[in-house]
Amino acid sequence: SQTIHQWPATLVQPVGSPLSLECTVEGTSNPNLYWYRQAAGRGLQLLFYSVGIGQISSEVPQNLSASRPQDRQFILSSKKLLLSDSGFYLCAWVVGLAGTDTQYFGPGTRLTVL
Amino acid sequence: SQKIEQNSEALNIQEGKTATLTCNYTNYSPAYLQWYRQDPGRGPVFLLLIRENEKEKRKERLKVTFDTTLKQSLFHITASQPADSATYLCALDMMNTGFQKLVFGTGTRLLVSP
Repeated sequence: SQTIHQWPATLVQPVGSPLSLECTVEGTSNPNLYWYRQAAGRGLQLLFYSVGIGQISSEVPQNLSASRPQDRQFILSSKKLLLSDSGFYLCAWVVGLAGTDTQYFGPGTRLTVL
Repeated sequence: SQKIEQNSEALNIQEGKTATLTCNYTNYSPAYLQWYRQDPGRGPVFLLLIRENEKEKRKERLKVTFDTTLKQSLFHITASQPADSATYLCALDMMNTGFQKLVFGTGTRLLVSP
């Protein structure tokens, strides 16, 4: 069966520090991968998506970046964190491209920037 | 821009009653609409998908309706149980580029009391 992992589970970082969040998927090949952020009291905001290795599309311009070095690995990074980067970061995957395909979410990373 | 609205206030009901959650959208005509459940500190979990040509969809105690004229979806949980307490998110497929992109509402928190 397919599983999705995210780490770390929680992270507290000072403003201006770098960030690296990792997401890996097992049990599937060539998934489409997504990074979302969920701020307190707000909905899921799509940050990046990827249809394959090295292919990244950005939805919201900000100080975050994403990379996909391997088929089942998706990394979210920042060189300098802002207070506004705090939130719950979720990785998701879907195999198909159709609107009928459902997204499977990872357990999330709770990031607090102080 | 596309907008999805869900009741931001929590819905409190008694065990055994039917819970009804609302999802309204504007400025878009989605082909599909999905509902997810999210427990505190965890990623969303897919529940149901309904197509634009389907008026109603059922799964066990869950029922979803989709009114493309009103631009509204209703999510019902019959014979509700305390274990149904969670936040419920609706999501629209904004797939106009051949790639699945879901836009999520902010979610409605449901509290079922024993």
